[in-house]
Amino acid sequence: ETGVTQSPTHLIKTRGQQVTLRCSSQSGHNTVSWYQQALGQGPQFIFQYYREEENGRGNFPPRFSGLQFPNYSSELNVNALELDDSALYLCASSLVGLGTGELFFGEGSRLTVL
Amino acid sequence: KQEVTQIPAALSVPEGENLVLNCSFTDSAIYNLQWFRQDPGKGLTSLLLIQSSQREQTSGRLNASLDKSSGRSTLYIAASQPGDSATYLCAVILNSGGYQKVTFGTGTKLQVIP
Repeated sequence: ETGVTQSPTHLIKTRGQQVTLRCSSQSGHNTVSWYQQALGQGPQFIFQYYREEENGRGNFPPRFSGLQFPNYSSELNVNALELDDSALYLCASSLVGLGTGELFFGEGSRLTVL
Repeated sequence: KQEVTQIPAALSVPEGENLVLNCSFTDSAIYNLQWFRQDPGKGLTSLLLIQSSQREQTSGRLNASLDKSSGRSTLYIAASQPGDSATYLCAVILNSGGYQKVTFGTGTKLQVIP
């Protein structure tokens, strides 16, 4: 039990639609990061939020966007969905600056784009 | 650009065997290295965190070592059990001004045969 929860666990969308995924961080953590994991691959870093500001981004287009709220929960938004966006989306929380920076992951949201 | 490689990609061993999983990385200026296990369709469970100033960490039957100069980490599993069957991922973490840049390997899929 990591204390990181994600919703929804599974969802199906069609091409061109928009999706919002949610993550509740572990209590006391100030940083949340999001990852995309295609089948059989390692997770790929999408972006990171620290104190409500995006402070790092991987090689993902602007249609992937996010928010972090004052209670450190977070959203990942994906616009204009494409078939290749089908994947497991993982969020991780950590305490940066005052802790070890150890990453704690949620169970993920499985997105299928038809 | 940090590249992380895990060898072997898959491993099948009889129960009770000791085994070693390998992780190599190209940029030695790491902040942390973290080992995870992932069960099919699930999130990542943190196994061990090694900070840059450390050489190894132990938890139960698991021991992870870190050699930054050679760009390698190993995860040693003693007396393997069928419940150890999972995919094992290493994540190399760089810290740049509070931004945790995380790069995952593609994982080693372990099967322990009863």
